[in-house]
Amino acid sequence: QKEVEQNSGPLSVPEGAIASLNCTYSDRGSQSFFWYRQYSGKSPELIMSIYSNGDKEDGRFTAQLNKASQYVSLLIRDSQPSDSATYLCAALQGAQKLVFGQGTRLTINP
Amino acid sequence: GAVVSQHPSWVICKSGTSVKIECRSLDFQATTMFWYRQFPKQSLMLMATSNEGSKATYEQGVEKDKFLINHASLTLSTLTVTSAHPEDSSFYICSAGTSRREAFFGQGTRLTVV
Repeated sequence: QKEVEQNSGPLSVPEGAIASLNCTYSDRGSQSFFWYRQYSGKSPELIMSIYSNGDKEDGRFTAQLNKASQYVSLLIRDSQPSDSATYLCAALQGAQKLVFGQGTRLTINP
Repeated sequence: GAVVSQHPSWVICKSGTSVKIECRSLDFQATTMFWYRQFPKQSLMLMATSNEGSKATYEQGVEKDKFLINHASLTLSTLTVTSAHPEDSSFYICSAGTSRREAFFGQGTRLTVV
């Protein structure tokens, strides 16, 4: 079992709809979780961090964390073509080590 | 977010030569920097973790004599790929950790060994 798992996609969503990205992790000791967006040929960009159970909203993005289920998700409301990218989920192991999922490729269709 | 600058953004080198990649945190001090490698359509694979003033910690399967990491100051870490070969061609990315455990990435370096 991979430490952080994501559906690799591709996930296609019509413009204006809600895109839902999911991630599960295996290390119950992980307390901090992050979502990164990576455009093709570019390095990842931090979108959201979440540390507590529940929802965290920032603009069109909402991160959700359920530690009991070891599940993290990212919702993108009012999806735009510019949101088309690969989204990486990451969990912090120990004090420093970030473990990444394989990424979900998201395409927003105009 | 914090700014991390990585240079060069791309490099082409001959097989057998060495290449140095620099990673700088511009507006914060990074006690810890991370080096990743990413092959096409794959996720980031952590190569090593470097702490300022001490030896880097390498992940299993990463040759420490081939990938030399130096973290001489709180704002600069370097990765040197020694005796590069075509199979070392990849996208190398550094990141610097903040006190909130968030990681900010440099722009990445695309290395092509011919």
